[in-house]
Amino acid sequence: EVQLLESGGGLVQPGGSLRLSCAASGFTFSTNAMGWVRQAPGKGLEWVSTINGDRTYYTDSRFTISRDNSKNTLFLQMNGLRAEDTAIYYCVKEGDLGYFDLWGRGTLVTVSS
Amino acid sequence: DIQVTQSPSSLSASVGDRVTITCRASRDIRTYLAWYQQKPGKVPKLLICAASTLQSGVPSRFSGSGSGTDFALTISSLQPEDVATYYCQKYDDAPLAFGGGTKVEIK
Repeated sequence: EVQLLESGGGLVQPGGSLRLSCAASGFTFSTNAMGWVRQAPGKGLEWVSTINGDRTYYTDSRFTISRDNSKNTLFLQMNGLRAEDTAIYYCVKEGDLGYFDLWGRGTLVTVSS
Repeated sequence: DIQVTQSPSSLSASVGDRVTITCRASRDIRTYLAWYQQKPGKVPKLLICAASTLQSGVPSRFSGSGSGTDFALTISSLQPEDVATYYCQKYDDAPLAFGGGTKVEIK
């Protein structure tokens, strides 16, 4: 079955760090661009980061995207977290040119003291 | 950075109505535009890429049009199962960006 399964979300204090993981299955992970999209409670979708080959793209330098092709796993390291980073973080597989054709169920990150 | 603006932010229509949602990019993005549907409590789903290419399994009452800066998503005959929030997304280049969303309800 083609799927993405995120983990690593949770409650973190402001200024803290968190590492999200996304386990991919059912497709050739290593040849696909992958990314993260987030959605704050009751708000719209926001692109966070993309990794395509050895190139990475971000909206925010506090975040670092990486991947382990041997384990079919995508990561998002988030540092210096703020209350406004509270959101569901979705792992996404990108289509040929940057649209998102497969979404995980998401993992909730809550930044609060 | 290129901005993407959707309108309206919400709409209410009757079953069987034709519904159109528009998306405007602040600069030319050719046809690098996708549309997504997010039903309440669910994960977003890709409906259309390349402005007008319907994804497999998406009902034919959905269609996309446009190029350059102006785009539209049309539902030819609104059905109860189409209640959702719809988002456009530009992907010509980083940073990728979504529109603010359009919430579609049944009158």
